[in-house]
Amino acid sequence: SQKIEQNSEALNIQEGKTATLTCNYTNYSPAYLQWYRQDPGRGPVFLLLIRENEKEKRKERLKVTFDTTLKQSLFHITASQPADSATYLCALDLTGNQFYFGTGTSLTVIP
Amino acid sequence: GAVVSQHPSWVICKSGTSVKIECRSLDFQATTMFWYRQFPKQSLMLMATSNEGSKATYEQGVEKDKFLINHASLTLSTLTVTSAHPEDSSFYICSAVVHPSSYEQYFGPGTRLTVT
Repeated sequence: SQKIEQNSEALNIQEGKTATLTCNYTNYSPAYLQWYRQDPGRGPVFLLLIRENEKEKRKERLKVTFDTTLKQSLFHITASQPADSATYLCALDLTGNQFYFGTGTSLTVIP
Repeated sequence: GAVVSQHPSWVICKSGTSVKIECRSLDFQATTMFWYRQFPKQSLMLMATSNEGSKATYEQGVEKDKFLINHASLTLSTLTVTSAHPEDSSFYICSAVVHPSSYEQYFGPGTRLTVT
C-alpha cells in the first residue's frame, strides 16, 4: 500500500539548533515534493517545493533534500526560533494534480 | 497575492441537515481546487479535485453523493455535506493552485464542522 510517513509525531529542539524532519514514502514516484507549515486551526502554508531531478533546495533558513532512491526527503530549519514551532507536513505531488500529505511532525522550539 | 478564503469558518448543524462550505480565490483564477478533511492531530486527507466547469474527481472511499462539489466559476468552489452525521464532524480545508506550472497550493483557513 502507499504510505507517506514523517519521522515522529513530535520533535522538541533547543532554540538556535538545527531541526531536521524526515519524510519517507513507499510505492509512489512523485514528480514533486512539497513542505508546508500548519499552525493550530489554520490551513497549511506552502514553504518549499523540490522536483524529482533536484537534490537540494534552500530558502533563507530552510533547506530541503530529496533522494528518490531512498524515497526520502529531509527538511532542515537552521538557527531555529520559538516562532518556528508548528506542525510541518510533507506532500507528494504525483502528476501535478494529485497531492497526498504525510502524517505531520509537530515541532516545538524551546527558548 | 494568492489568497484563498473559506466561508463559514465554523458551523454547527443538526444531524440530517445539509451544510454548504464555500471556497474562494480572492486575487487569482483557480481552474483547479482541492478539498481536504482533517481530523484532530491527523494529516490532511484529499477528498476530491474540483475542476472549473466539470465534475469533481473523488478519491477512493469518498462518497460523491454525500459530499457534493460544485466549481461553477474560476474563483468559487463549494462543498455541500448532505444529510450530515456526527462522524462528518471535521476540519474541512480547500486549496487552489495558482497556475499549473507552479504546483504550489494555497490553502484556505479551513471550516470547522460540528454535527450534533
